[in-house]
Amino acid sequence: DTGVSQDPRHKITKRGQNVTFRCDPISEHNRLYWYRQTLGQGPEFLTYFQNEAQLEKSRLLSDRFSAERPKGSFSTLEIQRTEQGDSAMYLCASSRPQGAYGEQYFGPGTRLTVT
Amino acid sequence: AQSVAQPEDQVNVAEGNPLTVKCTYSVSGNPYLFWYVQYPNRGLQFLLKYITGDNLVKGSYGFEAEFNKSQTSFHLKKPSALVSDSALYFCAVRGRRDNTGKLIFGQGTTLQVKP
Repeated sequence: DTGVSQDPRHKITKRGQNVTFRCDPISEHNRLYWYRQTLGQGPEFLTYFQNEAQLEKSRLLSDRFSAERPKGSFSTLEIQRTEQGDSAMYLCASSRPQGAYGEQYFGPGTRLTVT
Repeated sequence: AQSVAQPEDQVNVAEGNPLTVKCTYSVSGNPYLFWYVQYPNRGLQFLLKYITGDNLVKGSYGFEAEFNKSQTSFHLKKPSALVSDSALYFCAVRGRRDNTGKLIFGQGTTLQVKP
């Protein structure tokens, strides 16, 4: 396994700008998750894909947020009209097909700072 | 609602001494339970999980955890702490009825092992 990768690792943007993050899961993993982690808190679930289908979205995922996984491989998370409250670490994780109870493998995260 | 509590923000242990990081959970039905560790500027790394069976689970790097259903706890333990164990530890839970596999995390406990 080459591990879960995320790009970019750091992003600084001005309020109101749009940003897009990319996640490449472990190749044979069909489940992909996005989480958000703020300072001093544990990760919070944002959304989940099984293959290319987005099957669940958290109420944390406002209409400014959109996620895609067009071919069931990599995923993107876009935030439109960023706000200072969006500043956080965005984590991507993937798991195997039996991964309803399997462990998730996390990427290094993308740290977003909105100024 | 599902939730996880880690009652200690920080645990301090001398190298060579046993360590315990506490976790209690609230979930309907029987849970799946996980421990992850996070080092600075790195993603979460899986340590161990409880799915079913033996209440004492052994994981990576000499860590183990004990599932206690009556106390709804899943404390992380290690017989002899190393300075390199110093990191941020997260307990996570998911309900068996949740087919998405999304994890609910505690707020994290910083473990500081002093030489």
